[in-house]
Amino acid sequence: GAVVSQHPSRVICKSGTSVKIECRSLDFQATTMFWYRQFPKKSLMLMATSNEGSKATYEQGVEKDKFLINHASLTLSTLTVTSAHPEDSSFYICSAVPGLVSYNEQFFGPGTRLTVL
Amino acid sequence: GIQVEQSPPDLILQEGANSTLRCNFSDSVNNLQWFHQNPWGQLINLFYIPSGTKQNGRLSATTVATERYSLLYISSSQTTDSGVYFCAPVGRGGSNYKLTFGKGTLLTVNP
Repeated sequence: GAVVSQHPSRVICKSGTSVKIECRSLDFQATTMFWYRQFPKKSLMLMATSNEGSKATYEQGVEKDKFLINHASLTLSTLTVTSAHPEDSSFYICSAVPGLVSYNEQFFGPGTRLTVL
Repeated sequence: GIQVEQSPPDLILQEGANSTLRCNFSDSVNNLQWFHQNPWGQLINLFYIPSGTKQNGRLSATTVATERYSLLYISSSQTTDSGVYFCAPVGRGGSNYKLTFGKGTLLTVNP
């Protein structure tokens, strides 16, 4: 149980294009999902908290107009990187929390590796 | 926000050896999780352990919340244990439900 999927697993795009990444909880409902970014040999950095039915909460320094988050249902959150540039290349990971209490155990997707040329 | 320190940053072991990884945190916690990130980047949940001791096979973890640290024990290590181990607590208070990741311990187990 508690499986989270991400799609795509890997994407290469040209500078200036937009890329959408999907995060799905496969066997549970998640009111809250989180989006993280990880640079090579570094730790995970929280980008934003995605709540079903409401606007996402972004961490300080994260551009909300560049990283659009939509939590359309209790099993799906999407992250759209708009007008991508090479510096947006990174490993993006989502997590989901079963149930209504936000400090329950988080379960992570396998990640999406984005390369912007 | 809560500060997290993991030690050691790097650890090299021979197969069969035991090890202890440490996580210190600066504030009271609602939750603490240990993860293993495999070479493909997948984070694997090891323990959800805001306090007390848990065991799962060759791995066990102890969190002493009053002293603000957690330990992860790996016994009889195998090459498949290689990867990065992260500790991530959730601090108490307000809307502070977010996991804060330490910098991790890179474990290499040699055959």
